[in-house]
Amino acid sequence: SAVISQKPSRDICQRGTSLTIQCQVDSQVTMMFWYRQQPGQSLTLIATANQGSEATYESGFVIDKFPISRPNLTFSTLTVSNMSPEDSSIYLCSVEGGEGQRGYTFGSGTRLTVV
Amino acid sequence: GQSLEQPSEVTAVEGAIVQINCTYQTSGFYGLSWYQQHDGGAPTFLSYNALDGLEETGRFSSFLSRSDSYGYLLLQELQMKDSASYFCAVVNTDKLIFGTGTRLQVFP
Repeated sequence: SAVISQKPSRDICQRGTSLTIQCQVDSQVTMMFWYRQQPGQSLTLIATANQGSEATYESGFVIDKFPISRPNLTFSTLTVSNMSPEDSSIYLCSVEGGEGQRGYTFGSGTRLTVV
Repeated sequence: GQSLEQPSEVTAVEGAIVQINCTYQTSGFYGLSWYQQHDGGAPTFLSYNALDGLEETGRFSSFLSRSDSYGYLLLQELQMKDSASYFCAVVNTDKLIFGTGTRLQVFP
């Protein structure tokens, strides 16, 4: 299955600033997914990122707040913009496992604290 | 809307068997997956059911009934290392929609 390198692993940011999270995959994938997981909660899908097209956002998430880049088939970034304490969460990227792999693989996550 | 409901917490002792249920209501459905997540870790894939019935993978088994919109994860011969959160997830077109999650605590 695919291996994902996600960074940073954690950060503490001032409110009003932005943070960009990167995910690098060791193989080419069509779609990459970005999730948010608030402490003690489940994973909520933010958006799906396809190479060469705009990301598709889920209800409650907008591009101005969570801009996504997908410059090639192995890399994507998620930016959390104009942060507030409510954005404190874990952010994870994910890809499908690949040919014959039925599961999805996740990055190790970025633990964001906004102060 | 879409919803996947699980019990919030389950406790058991080492060596026991535990079943974690998942009921779902989604606009699209290709299959039901299960993921394990230890504290501070990323979710890891456990199993996938596209068709009705039982899938067995070692100590873990997963069941699906599409007509009942219901599935479960069965963990046998529980070990302390099985203490974690478990999530069901519907494979919906090309994305995963996660359930509410169940925290399993295994006691000696």
